[in-house]
Amino acid sequence: DQQVKQNSPSLSVQEGRISILNCDYTNSMFDYFLWYKKYPAEGPTFLISISSIKDKNEDGRFTVFLNKSAKHLSLHIVPSQPGDSAVYFCAASVTNFGNEKLTFGTGTRLTIIP
Amino acid sequence: EPEVTQTPSHQVTQMGQEVILRCVPISNHLYFYWYRQILGQKVEFLVSFYNNEISEKSEIFDDQFSVERPDGSNFTLKIRSTKLEDSAMYFCASSALGTGNEKLFFGSGTQLSVL
Repeated sequence: DQQVKQNSPSLSVQEGRISILNCDYTNSMFDYFLWYKKYPAEGPTFLISISSIKDKNEDGRFTVFLNKSAKHLSLHIVPSQPGDSAVYFCAASVTNFGNEKLTFGTGTRLTIIP
Repeated sequence: EPEVTQTPSHQVTQMGQEVILRCVPISNHLYFYWYRQILGQKVEFLVSFYNNEISEKSEIFDDQFSVERPDGSNFTLKIRSTKLEDSAMYFCASSALGTGNEKLFFGSGTQLSVL
Protein backbone atom coordinates (compact mmCIF):
# COMPACT_ATOMS: atom_id res chain seq x y z
CA ASP A 1 0.00 0.00 0.00
CA GLN A 2 2.18 2.80 -1.30
CA GLN A 3 -0.02 5.83 -0.96
CA VAL A 4 3.03 8.11 -0.98
CA LYS A 5 5.84 7.35 -3.39
CA GLN A 6 9.29 8.75 -3.86
CA ASN A 7 10.57 7.11 -7.00
CA SER A 8 14.14 8.33 -6.77
CA PRO A 9 16.02 6.54 -3.99
CA SER A 10 19.02 8.80 -4.43
CA LEU A 11 20.05 12.09 -5.98
CA SER A 12 23.43 13.80 -6.32
CA VAL A 13 23.68 17.53 -6.90
CA GLN A 14 26.61 19.91 -7.18
CA GLU A 15 26.95 22.43 -4.38
CA GLY A 16 25.30 25.72 -5.30
CA ARG A 17 22.93 24.14 -7.80
CA ILE A 18 19.24 23.40 -7.36
CA SER A 19 18.10 20.13 -5.81
CA ILE A 20 14.64 18.92 -6.83
CA LEU A 21 13.06 16.06 -4.91
CA ASN A 22 9.81 14.58 -6.12
CA CYS A 23 6.89 12.85 -4.48
CA ASP A 24 3.66 11.35 -5.80
CA TYR A 25 0.58 10.33 -3.90
CA THR A 26 -2.50 8.31 -4.70
CA ASN A 27 -4.94 9.12 -1.90
CA SER A 28 -7.01 12.12 -2.99
CA MET A 29 -8.11 12.62 0.63
CA PHE A 30 -4.65 13.86 1.62
CA ASP A 31 -4.84 17.59 2.27
CA TYR A 32 -1.63 18.37 4.09
CA PHE A 33 1.87 17.55 2.93
CA LEU A 34 5.19 17.78 4.69
CA TRP A 35 8.86 17.26 3.96
CA TYR A 36 11.13 15.87 6.63
CA LYS A 37 14.90 15.60 6.60
CA LYS A 38 16.72 12.80 8.35
CA TYR A 39 20.36 12.39 9.27
CA PRO A 40 21.73 8.97 10.30
CA ALA A 41 20.96 8.04 13.91
CA GLU A 42 18.55 10.95 14.27
CA GLY A 43 14.81 11.30 14.04
CA PRO A 44 13.07 13.02 11.13
CA THR A 45 13.25 16.81 11.35
CA PHE A 46 10.47 18.94 9.92
CA LEU A 47 11.49 21.03 6.95
CA ILE A 48 8.47 22.58 5.26
CA SER A 49 4.80 21.87 4.69
CA ILE A 50 1.97 22.85 2.38
CA SER A 51 -1.79 22.73 2.65
CA SER A 52 -3.84 21.51 -0.30
CA ILE A 53 -5.40 24.96 -0.66
CA LYS A 54 -2.04 26.27 -1.81
CA ASP A 55 0.22 25.36 -4.69
CA LYS A 56 3.45 26.80 -3.36
CA ASN A 57 5.09 27.47 -0.03
CA GLU A 58 8.50 28.99 0.43
CA ASP A 59 10.83 29.15 3.42
CA GLY A 60 14.30 30.49 2.76
CA ARG A 61 16.15 28.13 0.45
CA PHE A 62 13.29 25.61 0.51
CA THR A 63 10.19 25.74 -1.68
CA VAL A 64 7.50 23.10 -1.93
CA PHE A 65 5.22 22.94 -4.96
CA LEU A 66 1.93 21.06 -5.03
CA ASN A 67 0.13 19.95 -8.17
CA LYS A 68 -3.14 18.48 -6.97
CA SER A 69 -4.40 17.45 -10.37
CA ALA A 70 -1.26 15.39 -10.91
CA LYS A 71 -1.11 14.32 -7.25
CA HIS A 72 2.49 15.42 -7.23
CA LEU A 73 4.64 17.56 -5.01
CA SER A 74 8.23 18.60 -5.18
CA LEU A 75 10.80 20.14 -2.90
CA HIS A 76 13.27 22.62 -4.35
CA ILE A 77 16.44 23.51 -2.48
CA VAL A 78 18.43 26.38 -3.87
CA PRO A 79 21.29 26.87 -3.55
CA SER A 80 22.19 23.40 -2.33
CA GLN A 81 24.72 23.21 0.48
CA PRO A 82 26.82 20.30 1.80
CA GLY A 83 24.79 20.29 5.02
CA ASP A 84 21.71 19.44 2.96
CA SER A 85 23.08 15.93 2.41
CA ALA A 86 20.52 13.71 4.16
CA VAL A 87 17.53 11.48 3.47
CA TYR A 88 14.40 13.45 2.61
CA PHE A 89 10.96 12.04 3.32
CA CYS A 90 7.74 13.24 1.84
CA ALA A 91 4.71 12.74 4.12
CA ALA A 92 1.00 13.34 3.83
CA SER A 93 -2.00 13.45 6.10
CA VAL A 94 -5.77 13.84 6.09
CA THR A 95 -7.13 16.60 8.31
CA ASN A 96 -8.56 14.79 11.28
CA PHE A 97 -8.76 16.71 14.49
CA GLY A 98 -7.12 14.80 17.25
CA ASN A 99 -4.84 12.72 15.12
CA GLU A 100 -1.87 13.80 13.06
CA LYS A 101 -1.22 10.47 11.35
CA LEU A 102 1.42 10.82 8.68
CA THR A 103 1.92 8.52 5.73
CA PHE A 104 5.54 8.60 4.63
CA GLY A 105 7.26 7.91 1.36
CA THR A 106 10.34 5.70 1.18
CA GLY A 107 12.76 8.61 1.11
CA THR A 108 15.35 10.07 -1.25
CA ARG A 109 18.98 10.21 -0.23
CA LEU A 110 20.36 13.57 -1.33
CA THR A 111 24.11 13.97 -1.66
CA ILE A 112 25.54 17.42 -2.26
CA ILE A 113 28.88 17.29 -4.01
CA PRO A 114 31.30 20.05 -2.94
CA GLU B 1 14.07 24.44 20.52
CA PRO B 2 12.20 21.92 22.71
CA GLU B 3 12.73 18.31 21.75
CA VAL B 4 11.33 14.84 22.16
CA THR B 5 13.73 12.55 24.02
CA GLN B 6 13.83 8.78 23.76
CA THR B 7 15.59 6.15 25.84
CA PRO B 8 17.40 3.92 25.36
CA SER B 9 19.03 4.75 22.05
CA HIS B 10 19.74 1.06 21.47
CA GLN B 11 17.99 -1.99 22.89
CA VAL B 12 19.00 -5.57 22.25
CA THR B 13 16.67 -8.32 23.39
CA GLN B 14 16.01 -11.99 22.95
CA MET B 15 13.00 -13.14 20.99
CA GLY B 16 10.01 -13.61 23.29
CA GLN B 17 11.18 -11.05 25.83
CA GLU B 18 9.25 -7.93 26.79
CA VAL B 19 10.68 -4.52 26.00
CA ILE B 20 9.60 -1.05 27.03
CA LEU B 21 10.66 1.92 24.96
CA ARG B 22 10.47 5.26 26.69
CA CYS B 23 9.79 8.74 25.44
CA VAL B 24 9.44 12.18 26.96
CA PRO B 25 7.34 14.29 24.59
CA ILE B 26 7.54 18.07 24.43
CA SER B 27 6.02 19.34 27.65
CA ASN B 28 3.01 21.29 26.35
CA HIS B 29 2.10 18.81 23.64
CA LEU B 30 -1.07 16.79 23.98
CA TYR B 31 -0.86 14.26 21.15
CA PHE B 32 1.65 11.46 21.10
CA TYR B 33 2.66 8.94 18.48
CA TRP B 34 4.86 5.95 17.81
CA TYR B 35 6.28 5.27 14.38
CA ARG B 36 8.83 2.72 13.29
CA GLN B 37 11.24 2.23 10.42
CA ILE B 38 12.49 -1.19 9.46
CA LEU B 39 15.92 -0.96 7.87
CA GLY B 40 15.66 0.16 4.26
CA GLN B 41 11.92 0.74 4.45
CA LYS B 42 9.70 3.74 5.01
CA VAL B 43 8.68 5.24 8.32
CA GLU B 44 5.38 3.63 9.34
CA PHE B 45 2.66 4.83 11.68
CA LEU B 46 1.98 2.58 14.67
CA VAL B 47 -0.32 4.41 17.05
CA SER B 48 -1.61 7.80 18.14
CA PHE B 49 -2.57 8.66 21.71
CA TYR B 50 -4.54 11.50 23.26
CA ASN B 51 -6.16 12.06 26.62
CA ASN B 52 -4.96 8.68 27.88
CA GLU B 53 -6.58 6.81 25.04
CA ILE B 54 -5.49 5.39 21.73
CA SER B 55 -6.88 7.58 18.93
CA GLU B 56 -5.89 5.34 16.07
CA LYS B 57 -3.67 2.33 15.51
CA SER B 58 -2.30 0.60 12.45
CA GLU B 59 -2.48 -3.05 11.50
CA ILE B 60 1.06 -3.44 12.82
CA PHE B 61 -0.08 -2.47 16.32
CA ASP B 62 -1.48 -5.83 17.36
CA ASP B 63 -2.14 -7.26 20.81
CA GLN B 64 1.59 -7.58 21.49
CA PHE B 65 1.87 -3.80 21.56
CA SER B 66 0.61 -1.38 24.17
CA VAL B 67 1.14 2.26 25.02
CA GLU B 68 0.90 4.10 28.27
CA ARG B 69 1.37 7.52 29.75
CA PRO B 70 2.27 6.45 33.29
CA ASP B 71 2.82 9.97 34.58
CA GLY B 72 2.69 13.55 33.36
CA SER B 73 5.85 13.36 31.31
CA ASN B 74 6.59 9.88 30.00
CA PHE B 75 5.02 8.00 27.09
CA THR B 76 5.95 4.34 26.68
CA LEU B 77 5.63 1.63 24.06
CA LYS B 78 5.63 -1.93 25.33
CA ILE B 79 6.13 -4.98 23.17
CA ARG B 80 5.03 -7.93 25.24
CA SER B 81 6.73 -10.80 23.42
CA THR B 82 9.19 -9.59 20.83
CA LYS B 83 9.58 -11.25 17.45
CA LEU B 84 12.49 -11.06 15.03
CA GLU B 85 10.42 -8.88 12.71
CA ASP B 86 10.01 -6.27 15.46
CA SER B 87 13.63 -5.26 14.88
CA ALA B 88 13.43 -1.65 13.73
CA MET B 89 14.07 1.94 14.69
CA TYR B 90 11.17 3.17 16.81
CA PHE B 91 10.38 6.87 16.79
CA CYS B 92 8.26 8.70 19.30
CA ALA B 93 6.62 11.94 18.18
CA SER B 94 4.37 14.59 19.63
CA SER B 95 2.24 17.48 18.43
CA ALA B 96 0.60 20.37 20.20
CA LEU B 97 -2.92 20.56 18.88
CA GLY B 98 -3.66 17.45 16.86
CA THR B 99 -5.43 19.59 14.30
CA GLY B 100 -4.31 17.45 11.41
CA ASN B 101 -2.49 20.41 9.94
CA GLU B 102 0.60 20.67 12.01
CA LYS B 103 4.03 19.19 12.09
CA LEU B 104 5.11 16.37 14.32
CA PHE B 105 8.25 16.60 16.38
CA PHE B 106 10.20 13.35 16.38
CA GLY B 107 12.69 11.94 18.86
CA SER B 108 16.02 10.47 17.80
CA GLY B 109 14.66 6.95 18.00
CA THR B 110 15.38 3.67 19.75
CA GLN B 111 17.07 1.02 17.64
CA LEU B 112 15.51 -2.28 18.71
CA SER B 113 17.35 -5.46 17.79
CA VAL B 114 15.59 -8.75 18.47
CA LEU B 115 17.91 -11.78 18.41
